[in-house]
Amino acid sequence: EVQLVESGGVVVQPGGSLRLSCASSGFTFGSYAMQWVRQAPGKGLEWVSLISWNGGDAFYADSVKGRFIISRDNRENTLYLQMNSLKVEDTALYYCAKERRGFYMEVWGKGTTVTVS
Amino acid sequence: DIQMTQSPSSVSASVGDRVTITCRASQGISNSLAWFQQKPGKAPELLIYAASSLQSGVPSRFSGSGSETDFTLTISGLQPEDFATYYCEQTRSFPHSFGPGTKVDIK
Repeated sequence: EVQLVESGGVVVQPGGSLRLSCASSGFTFGSYAMQWVRQAPGKGLEWVSLISWNGGDAFYADSVKGRFIISRDNRENTLYLQMNSLKVEDTALYYCAKERRGFYMEVWGKGTTVTVS
Repeated sequence: DIQMTQSPSSVSASVGDRVTITCRASQGISNSLAWFQQKPGKAPELLIYAASSLQSGVPSRFSGSGSETDFTLTISGLQPEDFATYYCEQTRSFPHSFGPGTKVDIK
C-alpha cells in the first residue's frame, strides 16, 4: 500500500524556520516527482512546490519562492520542505503528494500543521 | 502565472441529481487539468486527470471534459458520499494553481 506520512509541523514565531518531512512507503520513491500543497484554516488548496524524481528540478509558488526549499533523499524515501523566514500567512496544513505521470497528485498524506504565531 | 476560476462557488443538490462544475483557466492549458474531491478533515482525492481520464477506483458517475481554457466536472446521479468540495488544478505550467473550490451540499 502506498503511504505518505508528513511530520515536523509545530508552532513557530514569525521569522523562524522549520523543516517538514514526508516519509514514503509502498512505491519506488525515486521514480516519481513529489509535491507540497498547503491549506490555510477554512481556505482552499494552494500549490507550494514540486521536485523532480531525481531532485534536479524544483519549482515554487511565488508566495514561497526564496524562502522555502524542497529536497528529497531517494535512499531514505523521504521528501523535505525547509521553510525559512516564516510569515503568519504560512499558517496551514501542509500535505505532501506523489504524482502519477503528468504531475497529477494521485496519493496524498494526511498533512502536518504549521502555525506561525 | 495561470489563474483558475470555478463556478459556482457552491451548489445545493439532492441525491440523484446531475451536478456540473465549471473551471476556467486564464490562458490555454491544453488538457493539463485535474479534479479533486475533498471531504471535511480529509486530504483531497484525485478524481480526474488530463481533463477527462478517470482515476483508478473512482466511480464512473464522475466525468470530466474540456480543453484549453474551459473545463467541466459532471457528477451523474449524485450519491450521499459525493457531498464535498471540488477543486480543479492546472499542471500545464509552473507554478501550478488550484481553483477556489466548489462546495456541493445537500438541498
